[in-house]
Amino acid sequence: DAGVIQSPRHEVTEMGQEVTLRCKPISGHDYLFWYRQTMMRGLELLIYFNNNVPIDDSGMPEDRFSAKMPNASFSTLKIQPSEPRDSAVYFCASSPVGLANEKLFFGSGTQLSVL
Amino acid sequence: DAKTTQPNSMESNEEEPVHLPCNHSTISGTDYIHWYRQLPSQGPEYVIHGLTSNVNNRMASLAIAEDRKSSTLILHRATLRDAAVYYCILNGNTPLVFGKGTRLSVIA
Repeated sequence: DAGVIQSPRHEVTEMGQEVTLRCKPISGHDYLFWYRQTMMRGLELLIYFNNNVPIDDSGMPEDRFSAKMPNASFSTLKIQPSEPRDSAVYFCASSPVGLANEKLFFGSGTQLSVL
Repeated sequence: DAKTTQPNSMESNEEEPVHLPCNHSTISGTDYIHWYRQLPSQGPEYVIHGLTSNVNNRMASLAIAEDRKSSTLILHRATLRDAAVYYCILNGNTPLVFGKGTRLSVIA
């Protein structure tokens, strides 16, 4: 398996523009997670899905952020409109089942810069 | 969420063993102890995890105190490629919550 695949690897956009980040989890994994990493706040969980259904989105910072998982092999994280403070590395991760004894597999991340 | 305490940074010489400590005095009976690491410009990667007994894999060893209030990640022979931030996380069947971790520097 190629692992968790994220695209794009880098995104530079201007304030006010819509940004869409994409993630393909590992085939057969039931759980998908979106994290954001900044120097100030470290790694923060934004939202996670189980079998394509959002379970907890309490980490989503504002209504400008939305995430979808239309099928088991694809998820998007959208920011509309984007702001400079959204600049961060966004990671997607998946796991086979959401149990304490399971591993999380991370993608390489999307480096987002909002000018 | 149960919390962990780790030193902010540690330094090691290349080819020497490294012991990375983690305190988790409020751990519950069902919490697994997970270790992840994040190499520069990469996503976190799984290192090892355990519940009560010590664990070994090709990357590292995990030593868990008898009362489970602390654990130690052991890299048997540090290499330059082991320079990373190491996160100790308690997993009680909820999404992983990452702290600040320990930044390990390896000196040639």
